[in-house]
Amino acid sequence: DAGVIQSPRHEVTEMGQEVTLRCKPISGHNSLFWYRQTMMRGLELLIYFNNNVPIDDSGMPEDRFSAKMPNASFSTLKIQPSEPRDSAVYFCASSLGGSGSGANVLTFGAGSRLTVL
Amino acid sequence: AQSVTQLGSHVSVSEGALVLLRCNYSSSVPPYLFWYVQYPNQGLQLLLKYTSAATLVKGINGFEAEFKKSETSFHLTKPSAHMSDAAEYFCAVMVNSGYSTLTFGKGTMLLVSP
Repeated sequence: DAGVIQSPRHEVTEMGQEVTLRCKPISGHNSLFWYRQTMMRGLELLIYFNNNVPIDDSGMPEDRFSAKMPNASFSTLKIQPSEPRDSAVYFCASSLGGSGSGANVLTFGAGSRLTVL
Repeated sequence: AQSVTQLGSHVSVSEGALVLLRCNYSSSVPPYLFWYVQYPNQGLQLLLKYTSAATLVKGINGFEAEFKKSETSFHLTKPSAHMSDAAEYFCAVMVNSGYSTLTFGKGTMLLVSP
């Protein structure tokens, strides 16, 4: 398996523009997570899907952020409009098995580095 | 709610020296604990995990960690550091309750000098 695939790897955009980040989880994994990493706040969970259904979106910063998972093999994280404070590395991760199982291991993608000017 | 505290944002060691990265957790129920490593410009990779079996857990690349309930700790160690160990290390906690997710610590950057 190619692992969790994220695109784009790097994105530079101007404030106010729409940004769409994409993720393809590992085939067969039924849980998908979006994390944001910044120097100040570390790794923050933004949203968690299980079987394509959003389970916990309490980490989504505000209404400018939205995430979808239309099928088991694809998810998007959208920021509209983007702001300089959204600059961060956004990671997608997937895991196998139901939630609450501590033995589940998250496999991370390489991340999408977003810079908003 | 669970949380993780990693003591020290940066740890410096010489090549061949002992590596000790500290992690303390807070959880109202028995936790599952993980260490992940992040190399520059890469995603996180699992080093090892504790899931209530043996308290001493061995991981990849010679790392190991010991779960100590009395100290609420899960420190990561390696007897002899290699230059290739230079990376950022994250401790994470998950509880086996409902729709539980991983909560990460702030990370510790390990610097290895020749």
